[in-house]
Amino acid sequence: DQQVKQNSPSLSVQEGRISILNCDYTNSMFDYFLWYKKYPAEGPTFLISISSIKDKNEDGRFTVFLNKSAKHLSLHIVPSQPGDSAVYFCAASLSGGSNYKLTFGKGTLLTVNP
Amino acid sequence: DTGVSQDPRHKITKRGQNVTFRCDPISEHNRLYWYRQTLGQGPEFLTYFQNEAQLEKSRLLSDRFSAERPKGSFSTLEIQRTEQGDSAMYLCASSLGLIRQETQYFGPGTRLLVL
Repeated sequence: DQQVKQNSPSLSVQEGRISILNCDYTNSMFDYFLWYKKYPAEGPTFLISISSIKDKNEDGRFTVFLNKSAKHLSLHIVPSQPGDSAVYFCAASLSGGSNYKLTFGKGTLLTVNP
Repeated sequence: DTGVSQDPRHKITKRGQNVTFRCDPISEHNRLYWYRQTLGQGPEFLTYFQNEAQLEKSRLLSDRFSAERPKGSFSTLEIQRTEQGDSAMYLCASSLGLIRQETQYFGPGTRLLVL
C-alpha cells in the first residue's frame, strides 16, 4: 500500500517557467515532509522540508506548499533551469515515538528543456 | 568531502555469494539509516541505528540481511546467500540525532547486481 504517492511519473517544462511537482499521502500521522532530487547513479540530495505546523516553506527558487486537509503537498521551482532535470522524490515521516524512517513516493522525472 | 560515503559503489556477485557494504556517515551524526531502491521505486527503509543500537528493522530485512554499527561510527550491511531479487541500489543516510524531525543526508549508494 503506497502511503506516499507521486502520480505523475514525468513532467516536462521549458527553461525559465515554473515546475510544479505534486505529492499526495494517505497517512494522517505523517507530520514532516521532505523533497529530494536524484541524478542517475547518485544518492538522493535533500532540497527542502516542511513541518505539518506550517503550510509553506521557501528556499531560493524552491517552495513547498502543504495542504493538510487534502493530504497534499507540492514543490514549486521558479524559474526552472536545465540543471534541475532529475528525479524528484517526496518523502514523509511519522509523528511520535522513535519512528524516524522516511516513506518515499515513486518519484517524478522532471525534464527542463532549454 | 564531509558527506556520507559508501563503499563499494558497484558490486557484481553470483547468486549464493555473501556481500558486505560499508557506510561512513557524516561526522558526529548519531543516526544512520539503510534504504534499498529498486528500478522505478522510491527508496524503501531497511533499518536504522541510534549510535550503535539498531532500533528498527523493516520486514524487508530478511534473516539473510544483517547490519551492524559496532562503535557508533561506520556501519556495515551484509547480505548472505544473495538472490537475484537482492539486485538493487543500497543507500545509506545519516542525521544528527538530536530531534525527531531531522533531515537525512544520503550517500551515493552501492549498486548490487546478482547474477
